Amino acid sequence: SQKIEQNSEALNIQEGKTATLTCNYTNYSPAYLQWYRQDPGRGPVFLLLIRENEKEKRKERLKVTFDTTLKQSLFHITASQPADSATYLCALDTDTGGFKTIFGAGTRLFVKA
Amino acid sequence: ETGVTQTPRHLVMGMTNKKSLKCEQHLGHNAMYWYKQSAKKPLELMFVYSLEERVENNSVPSRFSPECPNSSHLFLHLHTLQPEDSALYLCASSQNRATEAFFGQGTRLTVV
Repeated sequence: SQKIEQNSEALNIQEGKTATLTCNYTNYSPAYLQWYRQDPGRGPVFLLLIRENEKEKRKERLKVTFDTTLKQSLFHITASQPADSATYLCALDTDTGGFKTIFGAGTRLFVKA
Repeated sequence: ETGVTQTPRHLVMGMTNKKSLKCEQHLGHNAMYWYKQSAKKPLELMFVYSLEERVENNSVPSRFSPECPNSSHLFLHLHTLQPEDSALYLCASSQNRATEAFFGQGTRLTVV
């Protein structure tokens, strides 16, 4: 069956360190993959999109990698700050031509000062 | 502000009530979505409208009825809901596939 897996356990890191979150998927062939940030009680906010032919994408302190062989995406936040504490969602779509985006359950990140 | 506005932000309704959730976007996007988010669960895609036509309906019970009168507005009509329907209901819009989705702040629905 098709699955998207993100680490359900919260990730606790110290301020200034690099946070790395993982998104694994099975039985999908996504054309692209997205990462979103969600704060409690609010809607997700788009961060980055990476396409299947791209290995890596960066935006300020954020970096995303996409390995279609391993069926995995890694999301990195460098020089993390307490304000980065939130839940991070991985989302992917298939190349079926539709508008169906599937989300993972998210990983909660806590950055301690 | 993401450009997608949802009302109301909070709603408490009895199981025999009828209510509607409203979503509005003025981003010029051609696709709009309804998602359901329950505690500790992934976002569940409910409905997708593209150019005002429904293109996805993910086996959602008929007590949820979407309506898209134009490309800027999306409604979710609710009737005879169950307590397990209590959740955060999120509206989103996007311009085509392979582009970012803009989400509203959501409606926190409690069915009593």
